[in-house]
Amino acid sequence: DAGVTQSPTHLIKTRGQQVTLRCSPISGHKSVSWYQQVLGQGPQFIFQYYEKEERGRGNFPDRFSARQFPNYSSELNVNALLLGDSALYLCASSLFAGGPADTQYFGPGTRLTVL
Amino acid sequence: GESVGLHLPTLSVQEGDNSIINCAYSNSASDYFIWYKQESGKGPQFIIDIRSNMDKRQGQRVTVLLNKTVKHLSLQIAATQPGDSAVYFCAENSSGGSNYKLTFGKGTLLTVNP
Repeated sequence: DAGVTQSPTHLIKTRGQQVTLRCSPISGHKSVSWYQQVLGQGPQFIFQYYEKEERGRGNFPDRFSARQFPNYSSELNVNALLLGDSALYLCASSLFAGGPADTQYFGPGTRLTVL
Repeated sequence: GESVGLHLPTLSVQEGDNSIINCAYSNSASDYFIWYKQESGKGPQFIIDIRSNMDKRQGQRVTVLLNKTVKHLSLQIAATQPGDSAVYFCAENSSGGSNYKLTFGKGTLLTVNP
């Protein structure tokens, strides 16, 4: 079975632009979470979606938004890009909403560079 | 607030030795902990997890120990191999009401010398 897939692999944008990142969860998984990983740091939680509804949001500005589709895939949108948005964006999927022992499995990430 | 941290940012070991990576957490309400391995250019890979009602769990060549008294977590890797070289993160699974999120520490870079 395929794992979590993300596209694109790499992306270069300029300040002020908008970007859309995509994620397909493991087959059968109903929850997708997004994380931002700045170089040298651990991933930081951005959003969780479960059954197409937003279940949680981390400490990120409103420039960040996301949605989940009926097939459980997800998109992360970032508007008005800043240099500080340069990071690896990770998607993780889990069977349910992520309680104890509901392991989150990560995709390879999208490397976003903002110039 | 909740936080997860690591005592050692880097660890260098000889091939065949055992490795121990440590992690401290502050949220006593956390009930689930996970260790991930992240190789350069890749996403975090699940290694092993442990629930708060356990103090030890073993996998293939890996063991996780949980000490709730001092809020400490460790990952032991037996017979460390060059392929084990990576950054290791401990993550704390906590509830924010209607969702669960992972809180990661900064990571420990493990280097295995042949």
